[in-house]
Amino acid sequence: NAGVMQNPRHLVRRRGQEARLRCSPVKGHSHVYWYRQLPEEGLKFMVYLQKENIIDESGMPKERFSAEFPKEGPSILRIQQVVRGDSAAYFCASSLTDREDQPQHFGDGTRLSIL
Amino acid sequence: AQSVTQLDSQVPVFEEAPVELRCNYSSSVSVYLFWYVQYPNQGLQLLLKYLSGSTLVKGINGFEAEFNKSQTSFHLRKPSVHISDTAEYFCAVIAYGQNFVFGPGTRLSVLP
Repeated sequence: NAGVMQNPRHLVRRRGQEARLRCSPVKGHSHVYWYRQLPEEGLKFMVYLQKENIIDESGMPKERFSAEFPKEGPSILRIQQVVRGDSAAYFCASSLTDREDQPQHFGDGTRLSIL
Repeated sequence: AQSVTQLDSQVPVFEEAPVELRCNYSSSVSVYLFWYVQYPNQGLQLLLKYLSGSTLVKGINGFEAEFNKSQTSFHLRKPSVHISDTAEYFCAVIAYGQNFVFGPGTRLSVLP
């Protein structure tokens, strides 16, 4: 499968714990995007990364959330001290270039549930 | 900034009937327009996109959409739906130097 791979598919955490979501982009893609989808809502942009760089994090909460895309390995979205409101589906997408006319390829998401 | 409106949150339709899912957008600059489909527990798949040229765009699975600049609309249509088309459909826009903005989605339910 050469698509975007996200793991885990489902993640359950208790309030106050940390959540780590992983995303491996399509082979050859160096642009990665994270989105959050709340129930009955569309996807909301969180952060855009290229290898080792955060390009745009305007959609990411200022506290507790961080993202990285190291030179080697998957992109990681990290949520510290999770709260009930963090429960959502988190989607990763990748693209070959940063051109607006290039579609983004989406993973199947990680569904995060906070107890 | 851009915004996308999908007026119909749910659309039930009988199998083999035609369907239109509405999408309107707001933007002060030119945008590219996309339709994505999301099946249960999956990510988004690209149905079609409008970049330039002919305003009627054909996509996968028999879907098509028409860009109407004066009405700032990009409605999605299919002449005859199948049970397998049951899914959530998202309209999205992106402008130069900006990020994707998605609509809230329309849940299409195809009834036997």
